[in-house]
Amino acid sequence: GQQVMQIPQYQHVQEGEDFTTYCNSSTTLSNIQWYKQRPGGHPVFLIQLVKSGEVKKQKRLTFQFGEAKKNSSLHITATQTTDVGTYFCAGNTGGFKTIFGAGTRLFVKA
Amino acid sequence: DAGVTQSPTHLIKTRGQQVTLRCSPISGHKSVSWYQQVLGQGPQFIFQYYEKEERGRGNFPDRFSARQFPNYSSELNVNALLLGDSALYLCASSLGNRGGSEKLFFGSGTQLSVL
Repeated sequence: GQQVMQIPQYQHVQEGEDFTTYCNSSTTLSNIQWYKQRPGGHPVFLIQLVKSGEVKKQKRLTFQFGEAKKNSSLHITATQTTDVGTYFCAGNTGGFKTIFGAGTRLFVKA
Repeated sequence: DAGVTQSPTHLIKTRGQQVTLRCSPISGHKSVSWYQQVLGQGPQFIFQYYEKEERGRGNFPDRFSARQFPNYSSELNVNALLLGDSALYLCASSLGNRGGSEKLFFGSGTQLSVL
């Protein structure tokens, strides 16, 4: 069945350093979403990418969708302590299932 | 406006028991999805309901069932609980008119512990 894999599992950074998490799907996706879950919280929607090669920016966050629509990345520039949490990609192949990756947990040291 | 509400927030059960979890979606949202999140892992898709009909089902045993009511609220039932069912159960609400291409709004979840 459809699988969505994320790497790395964990990332420790010093405040001010950059951070990137990568997402790969075993099948071509119709869209990919990114969510953030703070410790003890629930996933919160960040963004959705639909088009091949799409790039979207939200302040210090840059999201990319691969040309083949099978991979995606989230890059955070100059991390802050407020960026702490787990970042999930979630893919959909056109049906009614949105499949989440295992997430990348970001730790930021002040 | 109220967000997605789930009840109860915490629940402790013993093996073999049955449990019912409840979810009320955001007003105007007609679709509810259920996810299971084991500590340290991503949410695993269980069901999606829209207009009281099941639209999608994940790889979960028949012990898991759900339903959606005319007011779009939903219940998730798990029978014959196993230790491995211990997890955070998340409900996500969406408009329902775009299938799997919709933004999901999650509730705070029900933390189920099976002893």
